[in-house]
Amino acid sequence: GENVEQHPSTLSVQEGDSAVIKCTYSDSASNYFPWYKQELGKRPQLIIDIRSNVGEKKDQRIAVTLNKTAKHFSLHITETQPEDSAVYFCAASSDQAGTALIFGKGTTLSVSS
Amino acid sequence: SAVISQKPSRDICQRGTSLTIQCQVDSQVTMMFWYRQQPGQSLTLIATANQGSEATYESGFVIDKFPISRPNLTFSTLTVSNMSPEDSSIYLCSVVEGEDYGYTFGSGTRLTVV
Repeated sequence: GENVEQHPSTLSVQEGDSAVIKCTYSDSASNYFPWYKQELGKRPQLIIDIRSNVGEKKDQRIAVTLNKTAKHFSLHITETQPEDSAVYFCAASSDQAGTALIFGKGTTLSVSS
Repeated sequence: SAVISQKPSRDICQRGTSLTIQCQVDSQVTMMFWYRQQPGQSLTLIATANQGSEATYESGFVIDKFPISRPNLTFSTLTVSNMSPEDSSIYLCSVVEGEDYGYTFGSGTRLTVV
């Protein structure tokens, strides 16, 4: 089955800096790669996703890149703000309808002002 | 996107007892997924519930401990049986919709076993 590795486990940056979180996956059939942000006591919230027919996707300060050959994808947050502080999870699933998301172990991002 | 109502939102239970968690979706969905999130950890898939058939469990999870029902396309329950303190976690249900296969999560059930 799918296995998703996520690094780093913790990341501390200064406000205004960029943050990068990286994930690798094992199942070459996976082709959907979402990123979730989870604040304390809340459910995971989708912040951006990418499918395998695209190499990069951007939404304001957030971007995701995908390298299918190397089986890795990354989350890039630019101009970080204190409210970006949270736990971020990457996940992967295959094209098969009804396939569950498999999550990475998460990255705790701390943005200090 | 689908809206999921998950109940209860939290509970404190005695060890040895069972708790049933419910998820109601406002639209028909083929698959529902149940996850566990232990304190400070990631989401771990417990099982996939397809209407009309037995749930498919991931390695490390068994039906006797986590029985699942899926009586129709909008509802599912997960029971945590014979609970121990190690079962203290957040349990979340999730659904995937349509060809875009966007995933939606319930608000979670925070379970504490004492």
